Amino acid sequence: EVQLVQSGAEVKESGESLKISCQGSGYNFRSHWIAWVRQMPGKGLEVLGIIYPDDSDVRYSPSFQGQGQVTISVDESISTAYLQWGSLTASDSATYYCARRGKRCSGIVCSEYYGLDLWGQGTTVTVSS
Amino acid sequence: DIVLTQSPGTLSLSPGETATFLCRASQVVNSDYLHWYAQKPGQAPRLLIFGTSNRAAGIPERFSGSGSGTDFTLTISRLEPEDFAVYFCQQYGSSRYSFGQGTRLEIK
Repeated sequence: EVQLVQSGAEVKESGESLKISCQGSGYNFRSHWIAWVRQMPGKGLEVLGIIYPDDSDVRYSPSFQGQGQVTISVDESISTAYLQWGSLTASDSATYYCARRGKRCSGIVCSEYYGLDLWGQGTTVTVSS
Repeated sequence: DIVLTQSPGTLSLSPGETATFLCRASQVVNSDYLHWYAQKPGQAPRLLIFGTSNRAAGIPERFSGSGSGTDFTLTISRLEPEDFAVYFCQQYGSSRYSFGQGTRLEIK
């Protein structure tokens, strides 16, 4: 089965560190970008950044780039992407999804369409201040 | 950055009716990079339409998308009970992603 499976819910205190994971299976994990998407309670969706497992190329969205923000990484040997924080704050409380960036294929020729065609189940992070 | 504005905020319809969702962009969007998702409570979003008008795998023909430039539409014909959810549009441009704020489809 083609799927992304995320690690479980986390409850942390402000200032603590955290690393959540997203493991892919059933497809060639190395050949699709993985995005991390934040959804704050009752709010919309924001892409934090994306990573290409084959070479660990990471692109952060401007709003999430910089000191004290998040770090995206991957261990392609176990088909797992990670999102981590060095020091959490209450404003990091949200549900975080990993999602695969889709490709459109015509025969053997595939092209990116920059949509997210496979999603993990989400990891809820709660940070108390 | 391209801002996507969805309307209406909430749509109240009955099963069997047709739902029409609008997504308006602050700048011209590449039609190949405009997509629609549905999200039910407690679940991850699901891709419905990619590239403006292409149904994702497993999405019924009742779902259709259209549009170009700055105005895009998602239409769901013959609403079924499982269609009631929040719908988001999303675009990619200038190496950035943005989502609309969502339209809630509720049972009337």
